[in-house]
Amino acid sequence: GAGVSQSPRYKVAKRGQDVALRCDPISGHVSLFWYQQALGQGPEFLTYFQNEAQLDKSGLPSDRFFAERPEGSVSTLKIQRTQQEDSAVYLCASSLEDRTGPGANVLTFGAGSRLTVL
Amino acid sequence: LAKTTQPISMDSYEGQEVNITCSHNNIATNDYITWYQQFPSQGPRFIIQGYKTKVTNEVASLFIPADRKSSTLSLPRVSLSDTAVYYCLVVRMDSSYKLIFGSGTRLLVRP
Repeated sequence: GAGVSQSPRYKVAKRGQDVALRCDPISGHVSLFWYQQALGQGPEFLTYFQNEAQLDKSGLPSDRFFAERPEGSVSTLKIQRTQQEDSAVYLCASSLEDRTGPGANVLTFGAGSRLTVL
Repeated sequence: LAKTTQPISMDSYEGQEVNITCSHNNIATNDYITWYQQFPSQGPRFIIQGYKTKVTNEVASLFIPADRKSSTLSLPRVSLSDTAVYYCLVVRMDSSYKLIFGSGTRLLVRP
């Protein structure tokens, strides 16, 4: 598609429920990132994929967070046993380049998935 | 990675030029300076990047002095639609790179 598509746009979950957030990056983009953005804050890095390989997951806040990109295109961020502090907007971004390419810092972001945990 | 410091907020009026300065005293040789813009309910959008001197595109100009310890994003003749949060990032172009966003500068353009 023309841009990065994320679904659902809004998700309300009860504390303890599992949620799955989907990201459709731009076709052919090598790099895919997940970020978490709390209200009034800048996006915080969660994890990075180069094609299907998860090369950096240093930003995942706990083992309740899991991300995958099995075929190097669509990615899913899963949060198990959601807590209230998980409430945030989850942003997905993709880039044509890998991390060493000259355009590596030109990311295209989706509109995000807003998660509210009650 | 070099820490960045930028104003929390700025106000301007339509038609004015806006300059947002970002400090990055510990920038390293292989670091690039990148700016993103974010509107409410949208993801950040890439504006401009540079390494040194001046870069200009259809949206903005980026001025980087010789010591590279700061950079200035210049928005010519702003309009109401330029009201957004602007993020300055220092990105290290190596295998460990990931874009680290700070809190950004909230620009409010008034009529």
